[in-house]
Amino acid sequence: EPEVTQTPSHQVTQMGQEVILRCVPISNHLYFYWYRQILGQKVEFLVSFYNNEISEKSEIFDDQFSVERPDGSNFTLKIRSTKLEDSAMYFCASSEQVETQYFGPGTRLLVL
Amino acid sequence: QKEVEQNSGPLSVPEGAIASLNCTYSDRGSQSFFWYRQYSGKSPELIMFIYSNGDKEDGRFTAQLNKASQYVSLLIRDSQPSDSATYLCAVNKEYGNKLVFGAGTILRVKS
Repeated sequence: EPEVTQTPSHQVTQMGQEVILRCVPISNHLYFYWYRQILGQKVEFLVSFYNNEISEKSEIFDDQFSVERPDGSNFTLKIRSTKLEDSAMYFCASSEQVETQYFGPGTRLLVL
Repeated sequence: QKEVEQNSGPLSVPEGAIASLNCTYSDRGSQSFFWYRQYSGKSPELIMFIYSNGDKEDGRFTAQLNKASQYVSLLIRDSQPSDSATYLCAVNKEYGNKLVFGAGTILRVKS
């Protein structure tokens, strides 16, 4: 069964450093998303991406964040200058249609 | 008012019983409703989605939607210890494609 994959599974970084989180969505899906979940809190939407552009973003997704689809398979989330409060689990999701989003296993980001 | 509200639990049920999980949402324009299961330290796993008022059944799971009351529920029949997890209700709003999640209900099935 096709699934969303994410790398790395864990990332530890120093405050102020740049990180890139990578995702390979399900191959025939057209809509891509990033969510995050701070430990003990609910899953929060960051950004959605369709047809090579951002279709929606949340207030969390400020200028420090960017997304890119550099080739036909990868979808990346970049955090330019990490803060302590960026420590969270980051989930990539994809969907064939607007609904029914399937989540990847996540990347646990720890900012020290 | 929170956009999607769930009782945090934990909800404890004996093995073999029916577990009933509830969710309310605030945006009347919401169109699609989802139940995800999340094991500790893992990602949300889609269980069911429902668009129309009424019931939708899939195996041991039944989702119920009442748009007039802005209420969604998930029934799990013949609950198993492996069903012990956090159940997340998510809503897809009318003019966007983002999912808005509730905080989740912890379910514990005791053998």
